[in-house]
Amino acid sequence: QVQLQESGPGLVKPSETLSLTCTVSGGSMSSYYWSWIRQPPGKGLEWIGYIYYSGSTNYNPSLKSRVTISVDTSKNQFSLKLSSVTAADTAVYYCARDGYSSSSPDHFFDYWGQGALVSVSS
Amino acid sequence: SYELTQPPSVSVSPGQTARITCSGDALPEKFAYWYQQKPGQAPVMVIYKDNERPSGIPERFSGSSSGTTVTLTISGVQTGDEADYYCQSADSIGTYVVFGGGTKLTVL
Repeated sequence: QVQLQESGPGLVKPSETLSLTCTVSGGSMSSYYWSWIRQPPGKGLEWIGYIYYSGSTNYNPSLKSRVTISVDTSKNQFSLKLSSVTAADTAVYYCARDGYSSSSPDHFFDYWGQGALVSVSS
Repeated sequence: SYELTQPPSVSVSPGQTARITCSGDALPEKFAYWYQQKPGQAPVMVIYKDNERPSGIPERFSGSSSGTTVTLTISGVQTGDEADYYCQSADSIGTYVVFGGGTKLTVL
């Protein structure tokens, strides 16, 4: 059973960079896409971006200028960096496995982490 | 930017049938996925590829598609089905992932 766990600071100051890491256990990262998704308090889900195990990425156009997702398959981890944060970036951040495959070429999310609340405040 | 539109809320009595819709221009070409999210928990996929049910999801959950609208149907609704439900798909090129705004299902 694949499990994902987010880790990182729960409080970030405005204008600084939010950094989170997702550790994958119970399965290999190979041949999969891996995504970050966030949810502001009381609001809906927003896809941030995904990374393929080989390192290729794709980001939500609304966040693209501030987002970097990277992967370290040797550690079974992938990471999120979001720069120049404001209070609007306060959210629960989820990491998730993307079920995309060549035989089923759709992006969807079959395994999720429990989520990490990140607050942006001075 | 591409959007998926869901009703903010749906209310039903226990035992009734709940139907939650999701509309988007690319849905005739792209599959939709449905997630259930209970308070304080991560979302769980309940329907994939418009109408397929993952293992472990009760048969009460079903999905359908017609034109630019997909529908999640929950038959014989139980109090434990009270949750937020999100549809998810992609733009017509399949490049960007999009979630609907979510529908709060209330079981009266």
